[in-house]
Amino acid sequence: GENVEQHPSTLSVQEGDSAVIKCTYSDSASNYFPWYKQELGKRPQLIIDIRSNVGEKKDQRIAVTLNKTAKHFSLHITETQPEDSAVYFCAAPYSGAGSYQLTFGKGTKLSVIP
Amino acid sequence: ETGVTQSPTHLIKTRGQQVTLRCSSQSGHNTVSWYQQALGQGPQFIFQYYREEENGRGNFPPRFSGLQFPNYSSELNVNALELDDSALYLCASSLLSMGAEAFFGQGTRLTVV
Repeated sequence: GENVEQHPSTLSVQEGDSAVIKCTYSDSASNYFPWYKQELGKRPQLIIDIRSNVGEKKDQRIAVTLNKTAKHFSLHITETQPEDSAVYFCAAPYSGAGSYQLTFGKGTKLSVIP
Repeated sequence: ETGVTQSPTHLIKTRGQQVTLRCSSQSGHNTVSWYQQALGQGPQFIFQYYREEENGRGNFPPRFSGLQFPNYSSELNVNALELDDSALYLCASSLLSMGAEAFFGQGTRLTVV
């Protein structure tokens, strides 16, 4: 199956600074890498994803980079704001017996200090 | 909002009881996956349903079972509840494809006492 490692587990930044969260995966067949944001007591929300045919994708203040050779991908948040405080999960797909399941990292709790 | 809804939102059960959780998928999606999220952890894959059949299973015992209906909605059933089953149960709606976006419902918080 797929194994996803996520670091760091907690991250505190000052408002306006950048935050970077890194993930590694094990299955070289994986070709889709989503990032989810989960606020306390709420559902995980897809915030950005990247497919293996590109190395970087940006959406306003967030960006994701992918290095398929090294099997790692990262989430970058610039100009952080207090509302960015949440737990962020990376995920990678695993295809087994016809199913397409997501394997999640353990999460990074981001705190943005005003 | 994703269009994926789960019920109930909260549930308290006694050890040994049985529980059924429900999920309605997003319009146009044919696949429902169920995940268990323990406190402070990432979601863990339980199983997936596609065209009313189980289409893959994670490392969960047979007392976790499910159904998918013709309208693609789904149920998760857990028998003989254990204290460790206390968690947030999430369903995710998608198409059946490795690169398909998965959208989560708001979850059911199950507490086993």
